[in-house]
Amino acid sequence: SQQGEEDPQALSIQEGENATMNCSYKTSINNLQWYRQNSGRGLVHLILIRSNEREKHSGRLRVTLDTSKKSSSLLITASRAADTASYFCATDASSGTYKYIFGTGTRLKVLA
Amino acid sequence: DTGVSQDPRHKITKRGQNVTFRCDPISEHNRLYWYRQTLGQGPEFLTYFQNEAQLEKSRLLSDRFSAERPKGSFSTLEIQRTEQGDSAMYLCASGPSINSPLHFGNGTRLTVT
Repeated sequence: SQQGEEDPQALSIQEGENATMNCSYKTSINNLQWYRQNSGRGLVHLILIRSNEREKHSGRLRVTLDTSKKSSSLLITASRAADTASYFCATDASSGTYKYIFGTGTRLKVLA
Repeated sequence: DTGVSQDPRHKITKRGQNVTFRCDPISEHNRLYWYRQTLGQGPEFLTYFQNEAQLEKSRLLSDRFSAERPKGSFSTLEIQRTEQGDSAMYLCASGPSINSPLHFGNGTRLTVT
């Protein structure tokens, strides 16, 4: 079962544009993480945001978290062709088990 | 940091055979996770360990799946009597502690014919 659902499922943009993808989840969390996956490879961690944080930045990435709406967004600014990948959010359940449940992913394609 | 290593990279097996995959986590990481991923889907949680203790196993898994982490180091995932529905990418990840990012291996792609 999936805890999170990403939206949109697929996104195609031109190089230089910004890309925004959203994640909604169902239960209370301790933290939420975003990962990137290139085709046929493992996942690479991008950002971790804790439940008491509202926004976090890392380079061209900006993540927001709204725990009242149980949602998060990932913004990639000035996108590059190399950003083409699938992006997943992952949440732990605040029940204390700290298993991470992944969403269904957003497939981003950046056109050069 | 040599990263998380998984072996083999690819495995093709016939229905009904048993298969075993290995994961070597980053050496100082005490948490180890197994996930399964099918095409176009997100990783699906299978099980995880803290050191050698298996803390949780997905209810989605049948008894054909078993995982071990002897001595809290490497881990193995065994699938008995494989079925075509087991065809997927099996991903291993490790982390140093709770609330820490996961480091993934490149996975083992299983094809059951």
